[in-house]
Amino acid sequence: AQKITQTQPGMFVQEKEAVTLDCTYDTSDQSYGLFWYKQPSSGEMIFLIYQGSYDEQNATEGRYSLNFQKARKSANLVISASQLGDSAMYFCAMRRGNEKLTFGTGTRLTIIP
Amino acid sequence: DSGVTQTPKHLITATGQRVTLRCSPRSGDLSVYWYQQSLDQGLQFLIQYYNGEERAKGNILERFSAQQFPDLHSELNLSSLELGDSALYFCASSVLLAGVRNEQFFGPGTRLTVL
Repeated sequence: AQKITQTQPGMFVQEKEAVTLDCTYDTSDQSYGLFWYKQPSSGEMIFLIYQGSYDEQNATEGRYSLNFQKARKSANLVISASQLGDSAMYFCAMRRGNEKLTFGTGTRLTIIP
Repeated sequence: DSGVTQTPKHLITATGQRVTLRCSPRSGDLSVYWYQQSLDQGLQFLIQYYNGEERAKGNILERFSAQQFPDLHSELNLSSLELGDSALYFCASSVLLAGVRNEQFFGPGTRLTVL
């Protein structure tokens, strides 16, 4: 069975600083995908970034990058130059094939002005 | 805007009642997924449909059922509602059946409150 662990229930970060949100996963599959989603207080789930298990380079999408360490089974999200609008819940998720997403418990990020 | 629509946005009902949540996937997406987000259970997968057929089931209660219609919209039916069914229900869609890269696009969710 797949499992996602997010050990940081909440984080407070000063505006303009970089922040790293931790995610570790457990799977016996060789082919899988890792995703990060943002959920603002309004409730919608916003896709941020994807990393495939066979991707050799870390994924980047604007201010978001994924620090993928396959041997350690970690997929940490790095947000550079944080902004007030980054305050939200962040979920790490994993999927195999076109199956369901398995989500972690999330990290609530608060950006302090 | 993800392109996935869900109605209604909010639903307040009483225990024992039955409700139907509706989802329209993005144009061209054949796969529809339903997730439940509650405070105690987090984000849980309920069920997946692909082109009208059920593909996978997660932690979906027997009181819950779903279907995907020929026009690809999907409905999640919740019956004999209990207080613990209060949650945010998401629908997500994706375009292809196979491949890990297939991003799931989430709708805005339906917030169900059972009183």
